[in-house]
Amino acid sequence: DGGITQSPKYLFRKEGQNVTLSCEQNLNHDAMYWYRQDPGQGLRLIYYSQIVNDFQKGDIAEGYSVSREKKESFPLTVTSAQKNPTAFYLCASSTGVIGSPLHFGNGTRLTVT
Amino acid sequence: GQQVMQIPQYQHVQEGEDFTTYCNSSTTLSNIQWYKQRPGGHPVFLIQLVKSGEVKKQKRLTFQFGEAKKNSSLHITATQTTDVGTYFCAGPMIKAAGNKLTFGGGTRVLVKP
Repeated sequence: DGGITQSPKYLFRKEGQNVTLSCEQNLNHDAMYWYRQDPGQGLRLIYYSQIVNDFQKGDIAEGYSVSREKKESFPLTVTSAQKNPTAFYLCASSTGVIGSPLHFGNGTRLTVT
Repeated sequence: GQQVMQIPQYQHVQEGEDFTTYCNSSTTLSNIQWYKQRPGGHPVFLIQLVKSGEVKKQKRLTFQFGEAKKNSSLHITATQTTDVGTYFCAGPMIKAAGNKLTFGGGTRVLVKP
């Protein structure tokens, strides 16, 4: 059963700590993405990766970092430099072909206090 | 920069009534995609429109792509409680490497039984 798995579903951290969100896909997709969603808001792109070992900043990359060492995996680290890290984080993947639809994971809700 | 805007932000609908939500881009789009996010869930791809003036139907949902390929609409007839959720439109970002989408802010649909 192909899909995207994000873990954990809920994550709580203290301010000043870095935290890494996991995203794994078995769809054999080349492209992967991280979006941030705030309550009642749309989706804002943090980072995206078209192929392994390559990634580009999205619209709100400051305070975040990613890696793409394997095709299946695209972890996101929320660093202490991110001023307002509490949000709903969505990972997605696509074939990478222009205009191909995105498949989203179930998301991770991060709360930083 | 490239912007995708959706109106209205909120749509309160009586069950059984029809309504339309609109998506407007600041630039011409090669294609437009629509997604639905149920409360507490993740966005799910609904449909893609590619051609100028294209109209596609999915049961009670009718999607249209404008002649100038800068706007789109989603019309729902005989609204049901299952239509509750947030509907997003998204278009590929111009001059961006790879399959990078810009999402609108979404229209949150609330259905009154």
